[in-house]
Amino acid sequence: NAGVTQTPKFRILKIGQSMTLQCTQDMNHNYMYWYRQDPGMGLKLIYYSVGAGITDKGEVPNGYNVSRSTTEDFPLRLELAAPSQTSVYFCASSGQEVEPLHFGNGTRLTVT
Amino acid sequence: TQLLEQSPQFLSIQEGENLTVYCNSSSVFSSLQWYRQEPGEGPVLLVTVVTGGEVKKLKRLTFQFGDARKDSSLHITAAQPGDTGLYLCAGAADSGTYKYIFGTGTRLKVLA
Repeated sequence: NAGVTQTPKFRILKIGQSMTLQCTQDMNHNYMYWYRQDPGMGLKLIYYSVGAGITDKGEVPNGYNVSRSTTEDFPLRLELAAPSQTSVYFCASSGQEVEPLHFGNGTRLTVT
Repeated sequence: TQLLEQSPQFLSIQEGENLTVYCNSSSVFSSLQWYRQEPGEGPVLLVTVVTGGEVKKLKRLTFQFGDARKDSSLHITAAQPGDTGLYLCAGAADSGTYKYIFGTGTRLKVLA
């Protein structure tokens, strides 16, 4: 099993550009999450989803959008990139509450 | 807004020493998880605690969930260089939103 797959691994954006970070999981998990991690810090929840068609805001949703049209995919959209969005982005999934979060390997994004 | 504060933020100790990491909140959590993260990778689950007062042991690691389910601790006995990493606690809100919030992180370095 591939688990949680994130693409791309690295990306450099100019201020004002847009991009979509892709996340797909093959474990048939209902719950999916997007986090960002700034250097040396913990993870901040951006958005999460409890199933296809259902999404909700996390701690730091401003500047981001998500969609969940299928169980497998949970893309994260940045519309107008800003330097404050420079971070490592992690996607995670879980089958049930209290089950572990399975993480992808992250996307390192730099906005200059 | 729920917040999970970890202490200490950084810890550098000699091999063989014992240490304790704390995870505190003013909110009640239905469950709490501990993760370890290596550089360039996503966090990996160490343990989940669900019941107030619960104690779980994983080899040299002992985890405790506070009676009121607002705090937790991780104790490592006889630390080894392989224990080096970023330790993160994560709590699921008591309201059943499946919204996992992460702590601020404790970076541990064990010197040989």
